[in-house]
Amino acid sequence: AQRVTQPEKLLSVFKGAPVELKCNYSYSGSPELFWYVQYSRQRLQLLLRHISRESIKGFTADLNKGETSFHLKKPFAQEEDSAMYYCALMGGSEKLVFGKGMKLTVNP
Amino acid sequence: NAGVTQTPKFRVLKTGQSMTLLCAQDMNHEYMYWYRQDPGMGLRLIHYSVGEGTTAKGEVPDGYNVSRLKKQNFLLGLESAAPSQTSVYFCASSDIAGQVLDSPLHFGNGTRLTVT
Repeated sequence: AQRVTQPEKLLSVFKGAPVELKCNYSYSGSPELFWYVQYSRQRLQLLLRHISRESIKGFTADLNKGETSFHLKKPFAQEEDSAMYYCALMGGSEKLVFGKGMKLTVNP
Repeated sequence: NAGVTQTPKFRVLKTGQSMTLLCAQDMNHEYMYWYRQDPGMGLRLIHYSVGEGTTAKGEVPDGYNVSRLKKQNFLLGLESAAPSQTSVYFCASSDIAGQVLDSPLHFGNGTRLTVT
């Protein structure tokens, strides 16, 4: 079974502070992992995927198969980063399974 | 290029009423999905389709039906709406489960449904 856990629902930081959004997954095979972001009342959009190994808007995420984690990090948060963030996993099926999401608020 | 278009954007139903949500994509995608988004619950898959004429159940299919008569359209039906179906519904599409694209899912703007 595929499962994604985002243990924290809310995170509030000040501008310029580092942020880490945690994501753990459960899957027996080789997963594809993604982070999606949803800004206020907008559609979900892809932030990054582990296979690309790139940095988008200053965010990075490293897949740690030993810890079954895919935490999202940014060294210096900006106010425009305030949004809902969803970790998602695609295993062997055609389905993308999402975590419950985490609301990030970056205060000025 | 419109991408994924959902209609309507908003709807208020009374308990027991029926309605159909329409999702249309113009990217020739094979896979289409319906999710519901609820506070504290994230996105949960209702039904999905891997091609024209095929549908499959997701995590929370009860109370919903779907049809994929045309490749570009994926309809979500509520036969007898209940207050528990108050939610924001998102449609998404992807090409071959996203393996060849940078973005595995393209989402619509959502439909906000309230059942009173």
